[in-house]
Amino acid sequence: EVQLVQSGAEVKKPGESLKISCKGSGYSFTSYWIGWVRQMPGKGLEWMGIIYPGDSDTRYSPSFQGQVTISADKSISTAYLQWSSLKASDTAMYYCVRHDSSGSDVDYWGQGTLVTVSS
Amino acid sequence: SSELTQDPAVSVALGQTVRITCQGDSLRSYYASWYQQKPGQAPVLVIYGKNNRPSGIPDRFSGSSSGNTASLTITGAQAEDEADYYCNSRDSSGNLVVFGGGTKLTVL
Repeated sequence: EVQLVQSGAEVKKPGESLKISCKGSGYSFTSYWIGWVRQMPGKGLEWMGIIYPGDSDTRYSPSFQGQVTISADKSISTAYLQWSSLKASDTAMYYCVRHDSSGSDVDYWGQGTLVTVSS
Repeated sequence: SSELTQDPAVSVALGQTVRITCQGDSLRSYYASWYQQKPGQAPVLVIYGKNNRPSGIPDRFSGSSSGNTASLTITGAQAEDEADYYCNSRDSSGNLVVFGGGTKLTVL
């Protein structure tokens, strides 16, 4: 059974750094693109970027380029999303997703990680 | 702003048919996929490719495409279909992915 299990909810202050994780299991982690999707409170889904764990090829949405870093450690089948300096506007639910062979369709979603940034 | 445009809200009477649309230039070259999201839950894939349903998705859900518009049709809408629906596809460059703004479906 394919599973994407994300790290738990975080409460941080503006300016702090953060790295959240997503562990894949039940499939070949290095053979599928892993992406991150943001959902701000009461808003829609925003695609942030993807990484191919097999070779670490990484692509970002222009809206998120330079704002976050996506990485992966294939030895432990885990992808990461990190911020160096959080802002209140980063408050959102973040989903890790697995893209199927099409490269765009998302066939599996993690349970989501709620990040709250507040002073 | 999204490169894929959806109507913010659509309503349908119980048991009737409803079409939710998604417009964008990239849809002339790539298929859209569709996701259903209920409150407090992660989205779920309901349609992908030309018109494919993942295991467990009822056959009242179907997809189609014409020109720059992709459509999700629910034939015989049920109360449990009330949810937000999102389309996604590649962007106009073909290298990245984009979601539509979402459509809130109300079943009356």
